[in-house]
Amino acid sequence: QQPVQSPQAVILREGEDAVINCSSSKALYSVHWYRQKHGEAPVFLMILLKGGEQKGHDKISASFNEKKQQSSLYLTASQLSYSGTYFCGTEDSWGKLQFGSGTQVVVTP
Amino acid sequence: DGGITQSPKYLFRKEGQNVTLSCEQNLNHDAMYWYRQDPGQGLRLIYYSQIVNDFQKGDIAEGYSVSREKKESFPLTVTSAQKNPTAFYLCASSTRTGVKGEQYFGPGTRLTVT
Repeated sequence: QQPVQSPQAVILREGEDAVINCSSSKALYSVHWYRQKHGEAPVFLMILLKGGEQKGHDKISASFNEKKQQSSLYLTASQLSYSGTYFCGTEDSWGKLQFGSGTQVVVTP
Repeated sequence: DGGITQSPKYLFRKEGQNVTLSCEQNLNHDAMYWYRQDPGQGLRLIYYSQIVNDFQKGDIAEGYSVSREKKESFPLTVTSAQKNPTAFYLCASSTRTGVKGEQYFGPGTRLTVT
């Protein structure tokens, strides 16, 4: 089953923070985060492999709670370039990666 | 430059025709994937392959077929049995060296069937 993302959309002003959540009903091996700009292919942001691991990419960071089968993506001090649709991908031990339905982020000046 | 190429970028077909989408990578990646994306929606896994001559069905494999005869190539055929084939198709690849790797996506093929 595909992971569930929330919220579906968020509108921010430059400099504001946001959190995107991703949860799965099954045990996870890893969690991936990608960002897709309109009409383009998704671009990799980060992968989290261990429970509790946090990674960062610029002022975008993420956490992975293996026990709760959840991950969260944190957009800190958002910039205009952060606009796009963010997808989490959850991977099981067989190597099958499934994506959530995405969270649309709009950052306004 | 290493990367994934998909061709063509736009493809138009009549109903009832099979169509094959190309995906080639020169990243020396073992695993390759096909996803379908409908407007405003996420990516749904069609097929994936972790090694040459082997592939597995994803969540929406019905009406699609694939082959993996070479490491670099993973073509997807959309058959006439696929009831709603109009969509944006994305191919991806990743390393499989024991550590789960990021997926690199191609630019996509937008298929329109009328």
